[in-house]
Amino acid sequence: EIVLTQSPATLSLSPGERATLSCRASQSVSIYLAWYQQKPGQAPRLLIYDASNRATGIPARFSGSGSGTDFTLTISSLEPEDFAVYYCQQRGNWPITFGQGTRLEIK
Amino acid sequence: QVQLVESGGGVVQPGGSLRLSCAASRFTFSSYGMHWVRQAPGKGLEWVAFIRYDGSNKYYADSVKGRFTISRDNSRNTLYLQMNSLRAEDTAVYYCAKDPPYSSSYFDYWGQGTLVTVSS
Repeated sequence: EIVLTQSPATLSLSPGERATLSCRASQSVSIYLAWYQQKPGQAPRLLIYDASNRATGIPARFSGSGSGTDFTLTISSLEPEDFAVYYCQQRGNWPITFGQGTRLEIK
Repeated sequence: QVQLVESGGGVVQPGGSLRLSCAASRFTFSSYGMHWVRQAPGKGLEWVAFIRYDGSNKYYADSVKGRFTISRDNSRNTLYLQMNSLRAEDTAVYYCAKDPPYSSSYFDYWGQGTLVTVSS
């Protein structure tokens, strides 16, 4: 099973700042990695797939990069609605696995 | 807009069974792979099971293999999860989610979730 390790566990930033979230895989997943945003009481929302492709309707301030074992989600300028928990997920090998999440909180 | 509505959650004793349903609408259900993903209270996401669009292939997380069965009825636009031999650690919100049109095994739409509580 591929283990995804997200860092940091919690990120405290202010609106307007840049956020950089990391996801590291225990073995290569090629580009087959996605990012999700989850707000309290809601289902997750797909942001990025195949490492760098924005899903339908996702604002351009969200971008993804990486391949192999190291991936990054960047939010260029935080909006108030961006404060949430973010998960990475790989589909490179069965079983599908998720990272443990990064909580992005308002500083 | 795609709609996925889960039902069937509730409280069940350890060792008991439950069947979850996911009613799909506003897309061609029979053309997409479908998944169950769960989230224990206050915890992260855990993928549970996948079924191919035509039901020909199924995959399971090791934690549920042999106890849970995923199935679908394309004539009823409904996805199912039969859960047997339930354990306390199966307590979670269970979401159904669909594959996107451009790939398999990402999740582009999710239901609102149904809570399963395993407790005596």
